[in-house]
Amino acid sequence: DAGVIQSPRHEVTEMGQEVTLRCKPISGHNSLFWYRQTMMRGLELLIYFNNNVPIDDSGMPEDRFSAKMPNASFSTLKIQPSEPRDSAVYFCASSLRTGNSNQPQHFGDGTRLSIL
Amino acid sequence: AQSVAQPEDQVNVAEGNPLTVKCTYSVSGNPYLFWYVQYPNRGLQFLLKYITGDNLVKGSYGFEAEFNKSQTSFHLKKPSALVSDSALYFCAVRALMFSGGYNKLIFGAGTRLAVHP
Repeated sequence: DAGVIQSPRHEVTEMGQEVTLRCKPISGHNSLFWYRQTMMRGLELLIYFNNNVPIDDSGMPEDRFSAKMPNASFSTLKIQPSEPRDSAVYFCASSLRTGNSNQPQHFGDGTRLSIL
Repeated sequence: AQSVAQPEDQVNVAEGNPLTVKCTYSVSGNPYLFWYVQYPNRGLQFLLKYITGDNLVKGSYGFEAEFNKSQTSFHLKKPSALVSDSALYFCAVRALMFSGGYNKLIFGAGTRLAVHP
């Protein structure tokens, strides 16, 4: 079974540019999560979707960040315009939401983003 | 408020010795608890979970965790550490969402385990 697939694995771009991160969840999973990991702040939940609908976006740092899930097999996280402080590793995770919510999340290997 | 605490930034242990990585939690209601491991340049990998039942939970790679309700702890353990166990370990608890009980997790800050030959 293929795991969560993220692309690109590495992204280096200049401040002010638009950045789009992509995620393909595990087939059949109906919950999708975007996280950001930095040394200073650790692992932060940015947004999560259930059945393609955003449920909680309280972790999105500001309006420059947006996320979409147009269908069950694809999600994007966009930063526009990007800033150096957005440099981090961004993870996507998916899980199967069941009635008792006891299923683990499965993580992709992340996108390492560097904003110069 | 729901939270997870991992009191140690780093744990050092000699290969072959038992290891413990500590985790305490604070939740409303029954806790669903998880341990994940992160190797360099990789995403988090699920190790084990406690939902209900036996307090000692067994997981991947020989790891186990003990749920202690009175102490609100869920410590990760392994009887004999390997150098290859060196990684970053995260404890997590399911957060209750009043809007529908969705499976959002709250993660601890992580503990770096270093196993020395």
